[in-house]
Amino acid sequence: AQSVTQLDSQVPVFEEAPVELRCNYSSSVSVYLFWYVQYPNQGLQLLLKYLSGSTLVKGINGFEAEFNKSQTSFHLRKPSVHISDTAEYFCAVRQAAGNKLTFGGGTRVLVKP
Amino acid sequence: ETGVTQSPTHLIKTRGQQVTLRCSSQSGHNTVSWYQQALGQGPQFIFQYYREEENGRGNFPPRFSGLQFPNYSSELNVNALELDDSALYLCASSLGPETSYEQYFGPGTRLTVT
Repeated sequence: AQSVTQLDSQVPVFEEAPVELRCNYSSSVSVYLFWYVQYPNQGLQLLLKYLSGSTLVKGINGFEAEFNKSQTSFHLRKPSVHISDTAEYFCAVRQAAGNKLTFGGGTRVLVKP
Repeated sequence: ETGVTQSPTHLIKTRGQQVTLRCSSQSGHNTVSWYQQALGQGPQFIFQYYREEENGRGNFPPRFSGLQFPNYSSELNVNALELDDSALYLCASSLGPETSYEQYFGPGTRLTVT
């Protein structure tokens, strides 16, 4: 079985400052990794995914994430946040041979002017 | 191209009642997954349907059941509702189970059980 831990439940950050959201996972087999964003009263939107290849993955809205197999991490970064980035962010993992997404508990990002 | 839609948006039920939630998948998608998202938590996988058959299930009791129809739309049924069933229920569709990493989520149905 796999599991996901998001180390920060809430991250306050000033507008135009960088942000990093931490995600660690555990799995005994090869996995795919994802970051989703959820705006208030909405469903989940895929920001980016890692399936294979380059460990640095670029996504939408200026976000990127780096897969680190030795540290079993998949941290999300953005060099300069906007007010509109205020949302909840979820890291998720899926076994490469499976079909079930396992989500972390989420990190709420609050961007302050 | 129509995205994933869910109905109803909100509903309130009483403990012990039964509820049916509906999901229309994105055009061309034949796989539907359902998730339960309790307040302040990440979504939890309930089950997946592919070609009208259940194709994987999470740690949920049998009173959570589903259907998928020939047009790939899906229903989630919950019997004997409990207070802990109060949550946002998310539906996600994908091109197939192998590509279920590329899931497109609907806006969810918020269920409140009193």
